[in-house]
Amino acid sequence: GENVEQHPSTLSVQEGDSAVIKCTYSDSASNYFPWYKQELGKRPQLIIDIRSNVGEKKDQRIAVTLNKTAKHFSLHITETQPEDSAVYFCAARRATSYDKVIFGPGTSLSVIP
Amino acid sequence: EAGVTQFPSHSVIEKGQTVTLRCDPISGHDNLYWYRRVMGKEIKFLLHFVKESKQDESGMPNNRFLAERTGGTYSTLKVQPAELEDSGVYFCASSQGAISTDTQYFGPGTRLTVL
Repeated sequence: GENVEQHPSTLSVQEGDSAVIKCTYSDSASNYFPWYKQELGKRPQLIIDIRSNVGEKKDQRIAVTLNKTAKHFSLHITETQPEDSAVYFCAARRATSYDKVIFGPGTSLSVIP
Repeated sequence: EAGVTQFPSHSVIEKGQTVTLRCDPISGHDNLYWYRRVMGKEIKFLLHFVKESKQDESGMPNNRFLAERTGGTYSTLKVQPAELEDSGVYFCASSQGAISTDTQYFGPGTRLTVL
């Protein structure tokens, strides 16, 4: 069945450095790729998403890139801050209505002050 | 706007017992989803309601799990009888529409521990 792989599973960076989380997906029909952030004890929240008709999207310190040919997509966080510490989940979904979201296993990011 | 709420936040039960989890979606959201995360693994889809109808229940593990959404508002997920492998965090999410770009808003989750 469809699956999404995510690496690394854990990541520690110094405050101010960049963090990169990489995902691959198996279903070539996927065309929407959301990223969720779950802070400790809180609910997962959508932080950014990208559709298959674009290769990159930025929102302040976060950016996502997508390579549809290779079925890879990545989250880039620049100038990391302690409040970026959380579990990040990538996900993939088809355009078809009612199709389910397939999540990756998550990356636990720690930003060291 | 109130977010998705779930009850209880934690539940500890013994193997063989029954547990019922509840989810209240954002008002007006026809689409309601249940997910489960077992420790360290992916958030895995369980099922999707559109109003009171089950649109997709392909992720339900087995017939010990029963989800309902009578009246198309809140939903319950019952596990009966619970097994050790049912432990995990159960998330509920809701969305207004069901196309790929309709944001799914998550609840805080219910942490279920089966001893």
